[in-house]
Order: sequence, then C-alpha cells, then structure tokens
Amino acid sequence: DTAVSQTPKYLVTQMGNDKSIKCEQNLGHDTMYWYKQDSKKFLKIMFSYNNKELIINETVPNRFSPKSPDKAHLNLHINSLELGDSAVYFCASSRQGTGELFFGEGSRLTVL
Amino acid sequence: SQQGEEDPQALSIQEGENATMNCSYKTSINNLQWYRQNSGRGLVHLILIRSNEREKHSGRLRVTLDTSKKSSSLLITASRAADTASYFCATDRPDSWGKLQFGAGTQVVVTP
Repeated sequence: DTAVSQTPKYLVTQMGNDKSIKCEQNLGHDTMYWYKQDSKKFLKIMFSYNNKELIINETVPNRFSPKSPDKAHLNLHINSLELGDSAVYFCASSRQGTGELFFGEGSRLTVL
Repeated sequence: SQQGEEDPQALSIQEGENATMNCSYKTSINNLQWYRQNSGRGLVHLILIRSNEREKHSGRLRVTLDTSKKSSSLLITASRAADTASYFCATDRPDSWGKLQFGAGTQVVVTP
C-alpha cells in the first residue's frame, strides 16, 4: 500500500544509453513531480504535471522527456545518458492547493 | 537559484538535547515547509507554516517564521537517535504554481 512508488530503485548504465524511471501514486492526487537530488543533496525540480498536463518544465536538457499517461502515473525517459545525469531522481505528488508533497523512495541512477 | 538555505550545514547533538536549525529565503512566499530525509530514503513532510503564521507546533517540533527577516527555524526538542536525518526547508512562492524550492539541508546526527 505504498503511497508513491517508483521503479527501479537502482539503475547502473553506460554513457549513451537510454533509460526510463516509472512512478505511480495511489493517493488520488492530481499533481505529480520529478525532482533531481545531486551528490550534495540539493533538490531541484525538473517537471510537474497536473491532471496529465505539463505545468512546470524547468531548464532541463531535452534528453529528458516526462510522460503522464494518467493522473496516477508519471514516467521519466532519459536519452543519451551522460555522466552528469548521475543522481537520485525523486517522484512526488500533491493535491492541488495543499502544498504538501509526498515523495517516493527515489531512483539512484549511476552513469558509467 | 536556490531559494531556501539552511544553517548550519551539519549538527551533532546527544539524545535528549534540543536541535535548532534555520532557513533563510530570498523572495515572498505563500508558505514554508520542512521535510526530513533519512539516509537512502525519500523526503517526508514534517510541517507547513503559512506566510501569515508566526509559529506552529507538531509533537516535538516547533517552527517559527519571520517574514520580515525572510527566515524560519525548526526546533526539535528532546531529540532521539531516530531523529538522525537531513532536514530541508522548502518555500512555495506566489508565482510558482506549487513549485517548491528546496535548500541543501541540515544534516543532524543524534548520538545515544
């Protein structure tokens, strides 16, 4: 009965590969997010979807493409992976207007 | 750019002591939130304080907000070893559509 679940938890891959991270929430929230946490623990928002519509798209390379097939799912596809993409990627969700975010456990991506 | 900045970066205390950490931010806000992150886990929401509130309590947590100084503090009273974690402040700005801006966190270690 995990609220926000993301897979995989760990991902090790070579430079140049393409990979995807999936996220699902069962909280009935209408807004979902992708955040990136770097090695210094700094969290930066990447994307946000509200009811399947992209509402936040920060300055992220277009190698990163989010996709929300429905309100409960938000996936992140990364093309042509680079060393600098190594980080922990967090999915989060919220109910519009409440402000509080519910985070998944994170997906640690290591690019070799 | 980073909106919230926590101080100190790291804090080491003994069980039973109080832990205080501060957060400064740069622009006007709707609310300020505090999150906890245990090692290798996702962030967990602790408390939200709105811009028109000055103090809020939740269990052993006390949060203050001074909008004139653009700062907030989080006090954990009677700390326990289980409080060992990183603590992040996050600000929700009026023009941001729910986009939280996180600081780099305060790493708290509570020794038995």
